[in-house]
Amino acid sequence: LAKTTQPISMDSYEGQEVNITCSHNNIATNDYITWYQQFPSQGPRFIIQGYKTKVTNEVASLFIPADRKSSTLSLPRVSLSDTAVYYCLVGAAAALIFGKGTTLSVSS
Amino acid sequence: EAQVTQNPRYLITVTGKKLTVTCSQNMNHEYMSWYRQDPGLGLRQIYYSMNVEVTDKGDVPEGYKVSRKEKRNFPLILESPSPNQTSLYFCATSAGPFPNQPQHFGDGTRLSIL
Repeated sequence: LAKTTQPISMDSYEGQEVNITCSHNNIATNDYITWYQQFPSQGPRFIIQGYKTKVTNEVASLFIPADRKSSTLSLPRVSLSDTAVYYCLVGAAAALIFGKGTTLSVSS
Repeated sequence: EAQVTQNPRYLITVTGKKLTVTCSQNMNHEYMSWYRQDPGLGLRQIYYSMNVEVTDKGDVPEGYKVSRKEKRNFPLILESPSPNQTSLYFCATSAGPFPNQPQHFGDGTRLSIL
């Protein structure tokens, strides 16, 4: 399972765009990149997944450069309700390691 | 509606008293897993199952047992709970191997072992 590195925490204000970058230097050819969001006392929720280039859904965008050694989750115009922990996962193993994620705090 | 149902949601019990946390899913998913979440440690996988009667250890399996006798259920068993197993537990399912297949999580079970 590819090791991932993300910032421990980030701060933002309502209405701003937030970009969270995850590095995964050892990503394998078949690996997808998946991001989850978790609110306190709730289970993680799938946000977005990608393999290469750019993926966009109603919640976020995921940018993956050609070498795939990193990825950036982009949250447009965040609101207070986007305050949560965001996890980046990479790999295709049956066992799964979430790590500590990035705590995003959005203020008014 | 796709659901992952955990029971109980909250439990306070004493050291050594066997307990089972149930997990049931209605999505016909093959993969199921259990996680515990502790402050400062993130989510850690306890056990996972790739299909009926197929289970394997995750990151922190000590003190836990699981069984997968039917596809929809994946109970977590604490034979002799100890205070260090006080934690928030999540069950998750996915249609295929994770993390390439998105996981669906239950609402969590908060266990307190006194």
